[in-house]
Amino acid sequence: DTGVSQDPRHKITKRGQNVTFRCDPISEHNRLYWYRQTLGQGPEFLTYFQNEAQLEKSRLLSDRFSAERPKGSFSTLEIQRTEQGDSAMYLCASSRGPGEPQHFGDGTRLSIL
Amino acid sequence: AQSVTQLDSQVPVFEEAPVELRCNYSSSVSVYLFWYVQYPNQGLQLLLKYLSGSTLVESINGFEAEFNKSQTSFHLRKPSVHISDTAEYFCAVSPSFHGAGSYQLTFGKGTKLSVIP
Repeated sequence: DTGVSQDPRHKITKRGQNVTFRCDPISEHNRLYWYRQTLGQGPEFLTYFQNEAQLEKSRLLSDRFSAERPKGSFSTLEIQRTEQGDSAMYLCASSRGPGEPQHFGDGTRLSIL
Repeated sequence: AQSVTQLDSQVPVFEEAPVELRCNYSSSVSVYLFWYVQYPNQGLQLLLKYLSGSTLVESINGFEAEFNKSQTSFHLRKPSVHISDTAEYFCAVSPSFHGAGSYQLTFGKGTKLSVIP
């Protein structure tokens, strides 16, 4: 059990650029979640996968946000045409199954110049 | 839908003193309850969880929390804090059955615990 891994840890980019973050869940965890955390707030749910199926995406913040989990292993979160308000920590979590505790990675901190 | 209120944004406490971090929740369905701890520039670590059974749950590092259904609370306590407990603590809930959601966590805004030497 090596824990949830996220890459990169930090991303600095100019407004209008596209960014992609990667999450590797704990092996054999079939549920994968994405959250966003802004300064002074708790994490906010964005989307989740059961294996390769994205079962909830209505909470993604806009159509500029998309996520994939090909083959039910790692996942990517993409933000297109980044805006200042996208600056935040993006957290990934995985769990063994429905209702099981979620284990978080260290997050990717996004800064928009 | 669920919501979580953490009543104190910051709690300073002297080393070896007791501490209580308060958490109240609102939900129209039954829930699971969690406390997570976050150290600077890190993700969240699960501290303890209430899924069912005994309403008093304990962690390996001396924290405990009690689920009070009538008061919809899940306060976190420790009888004697250490410098290393300085961190931000988040209370979270998720629905306890799939029909009410995806088991996503709803978090409070967090409580920053500062342990003073």
